[in-house]
Amino acid sequence: SAVISQKPSRDICQRGTSLTIQCQVDSQVTMMFWYRQQPGQSLTLIATANQGSEATYESGFVIDKFPISRPNLTFSTLTVSNMSPEDSSIYLCSVGVVASGRTDTQYFGPGTRLTVL
Amino acid sequence: GNSVTQMEGPVTLSEEAFLTINCTYTATGYPSLFWYVQYPGEGLQLLLKATKADDKGSNKGFEATYRKETTSFHLEKGSVQVSDSAVYFCALLSAYSGAGSYQLTFGKGTKLSVIP
Repeated sequence: SAVISQKPSRDICQRGTSLTIQCQVDSQVTMMFWYRQQPGQSLTLIATANQGSEATYESGFVIDKFPISRPNLTFSTLTVSNMSPEDSSIYLCSVGVVASGRTDTQYFGPGTRLTVL
Repeated sequence: GNSVTQMEGPVTLSEEAFLTINCTYTATGYPSLFWYVQYPGEGLQLLLKATKADDKGSNKGFEATYRKETTSFHLEKGSVQVSDSAVYFCALLSAYSGAGSYQLTFGKGTKLSVIP
């Protein structure tokens, strides 16, 4: 398994500003993911962040809006840029744990609850 | 593409009632199947998983059996408690693109409320 922490746990931000969310894992992992969960909805994958390569973004998400860093095997950041009220969501970090040579299970952090006014 | 369909909520049960949350899936190959739980104000926790046909995952009194013939992974618990009130997500993990990548696909979630 993996233990994941996120900072901040919640924030209230003004329109037009940016927020950087940090994700820390207690073990080295290759694959890290960032998800968004809008109120009352399921999870939507924003991007996959593997150490040593550029993040891969899903359809509807772009690097200018959601830049990601992955400086090492235990840490990643997601920035939500030029925020609008539509960005109010829970943002979750996730990691893939490998077993028997394949990705076995995905674990999630506690989430960052973002409200944009 | 892959997809997961789970029963619509919300579901409201009395304490000690039997719980079933239906989940069916569509996927190529041999996916792994998961149930995640999200308690109010928290992130997702892995509840249980099954990696091949006929496997039964179990945890905290919850069970689910991987049924390949019916492409299902229904969640059950014999006697629910108030503390089980949460949103439950069914998910599948399968390889795609053939390049070692994989994708976790979620259902829409089922909100369970257990009343005393």
